[in-house]
Amino acid sequence: AAGVIQSPRHLIKEKRETATLKCYPIPRHDTVYWYQQGPGQDPQFLISFYEKMQSDKGSIPDRFSAQQFSDYHSELNMSSLELGDSALYFCASSQRTGNYGYTFGSGTRLTVV
Amino acid sequence: EDQVTQSPEALRLQEGESSSLNCSYTVSGLRGLFWYRQDPGKGPEFLFTLYSAGEEKEKERLKATLTKKESFLHITAPKPEDSATYLCAVQVRAGTALIFGKGTTLSVSS
Repeated sequence: AAGVIQSPRHLIKEKRETATLKCYPIPRHDTVYWYQQGPGQDPQFLISFYEKMQSDKGSIPDRFSAQQFSDYHSELNMSSLELGDSALYFCASSQRTGNYGYTFGSGTRLTVV
Repeated sequence: EDQVTQSPEALRLQEGESSSLNCSYTVSGLRGLFWYRQDPGKGPEFLFTLYSAGEEKEKERLKATLTKKESFLHITAPKPEDSATYLCAVQVRAGTALIFGKGTTLSVSS
């Protein structure tokens, strides 16, 4: 079965640089979520999209932005990177209606040096 | 404020020693409660969704139950490959983000 695809798997950036993370949801899933997970922490919700429109916003810094495109893939853009942005970034997708759980991707490990 | 609390933070078991993980929640509404398994450096892997008090679901050595205030994940005769962090999360309304607990890290030794 198709899963949530994230790229890249690993990313190393320097402070003040920009990073772009990509997420390809499961086909026919209408909602995409982005989460940040620091070392030893639980996943923290950043932002979500429903049918290509931003639907909810969590603890996403102003330096970050995201969008969902016509083919439903989503990108998380992170600018002016800080050491504290080093974390695992997960994308998850789901169907808003129906009894389905969220499916998470394998994540992107971002290291800021 | 919606909140999810998991206990214990860490649990060490011998192979075959059954136990339970707890997830208590205080939320404004409950559309669903989710259990995930997460291995180090990997994405959470979906295990169960529970929707109403009294509901139970099973998968291999795992059984999840739900009451009005908490959920339990029972692990029967665990094996070393069950070692992982188990995350509990709630969804308050359809389409809203999952609210996660901090997880229980389970270690099973042979």
